[in-house]
Amino acid sequence: QKEVEQNSGPLSVPEGAIASLNCTYSDRGSQSFFWYRQYSGKSPELIMSIYSNGDKEDGRFTAQLNKASQYVSLLIRDSQPSDSATYLCAVNILGNEKLTFGTGTRLTIIP
Amino acid sequence: EAGVAQSPRYKIIEKRQSVAFWCNPISGHATLYWYQQILGQGPKLLIQFQNNGVVDDSQLPKDRFSAERLKGVDSTLKIQPAKLEDSAVYLCASSPGLGYEQYFGPGTRLTVT
Repeated sequence: QKEVEQNSGPLSVPEGAIASLNCTYSDRGSQSFFWYRQYSGKSPELIMSIYSNGDKEDGRFTAQLNKASQYVSLLIRDSQPSDSATYLCAVNILGNEKLTFGTGTRLTIIP
Repeated sequence: EAGVAQSPRYKIIEKRQSVAFWCNPISGHATLYWYQQILGQGPKLLIQFQNNGVVDDSQLPKDRFSAERLKGVDSTLKIQPAKLEDSAVYLCASSPGLGYEQYFGPGTRLTVT
């Protein structure tokens, strides 16, 4: 079982709709969770971090964490063509202090 | 605030040659990371420094890869000799400390022919 799993996609969403990206992780000791956006040919850019169960909102982005079920998700409201990118989920394990990345989900927003 | 700087941005070498990459982290960031990202995959951690000490280098192929951060600021990653499978993007990231958010530099795209 992979430590961090994401559906590789591609995920196609109409412009203006909600895009929902999911990530599951295997280690119950995981403490910190991050979402990065990576445009083609560019480096990952941090967009959200979440540390406790529940929702965290930042503009059009909402991160959701459920430690009991070991998943973290990212919702993008009012999706724009500029949101088309690969979204990487990263998990930090307490005591390990390194990030483990998923393979990413490629999101395409259709105008 | 200036971001993470890396150079060069692109490098093409022949197999068995050597290459070096340089990284300057965000000012004040104690932790520095080197990642390898192969097309279609997530970044894979090669080595992690806290100030000038190595925290984790378990996935660094030590027979050909080396890295240093002598004064706890800039870092250099070297590959000698390079293999075809080393073709990838090499990303440097920094964070204020262990377990905090990481910020990535623009990366170096290495092609080994």
